[in-house]
Amino acid sequence: QVQLVQSGAEVKKPGASVKVSCKASGYTFTSYGISWVRQAPGQGLEWMGWISAYNGNTNYAQKLQGRVTMTTDTSTSTAYMELRSLRSDDTAVYYCARDEVSSPGYWFDPWGQGTLVTVSS
Amino acid sequence: EIVLTQSPATLSLSPGERATLSCRASQGVSSYLAWYQQKPGQAPRLLIYDASNRATGIPARFSGSGPGTDFTLTISSLEPEDFAVYYCQQRSNWGIAFGQGTRLEIK
Repeated sequence: QVQLVQSGAEVKKPGASVKVSCKASGYTFTSYGISWVRQAPGQGLEWMGWISAYNGNTNYAQKLQGRVTMTTDTSTSTAYMELRSLRSDDTAVYYCARDEVSSPGYWFDPWGQGTLVTVSS
Repeated sequence: EIVLTQSPATLSLSPGERATLSCRASQGVSSYLAWYQQKPGQAPRLLIYDASNRATGIPARFSGSGPGTDFTLTISSLEPEDFAVYYCQQRSNWGIAFGQGTRLEIK
């Protein structure tokens, strides 16, 4: 079955970086894209950006431009999301989700299980 | 930037009742609207895409309507497992956004 499995929880200090992985299985990785969505504690969903697993094209949310980088490793069917210069308000559960290959946001299905990133001094 | 406004924020109903959830877009978004269900401690699950198409494995009691600026998710007869938070999501020339969610709780 189609599945996305994410890396485990992280605790980081303010100013540090975090890199979350998302391993895909059950489908042809390069036929789709991956979007990343985060959810702060008790809050709603926020789209962070997208990467095409076919050609590596990216599209980032404007508020995260310059702090986020999304990459893929097609040899292992794994997507990565790196967020730099972490602040306390980056504390959230980070989800990856399968998306379209050519442009983002038509719909997200399925989702990874989520990775809790806690930013605390 | 497009804004999606969901109403009501909280909906209190009993099993067997009909639920109607609304999602209003600040600008027309054609039919590129999806609905998700999220239960506590779980990732969101796709219910509806392109405003009115049920995702694979989603029961027929879930239906969606649109397009335009006013979209509706209807659950025809609530089952105990339907009590959760529901989000709408859109893509448009102005970006990708989620609504703030509607919490469907047991009355």
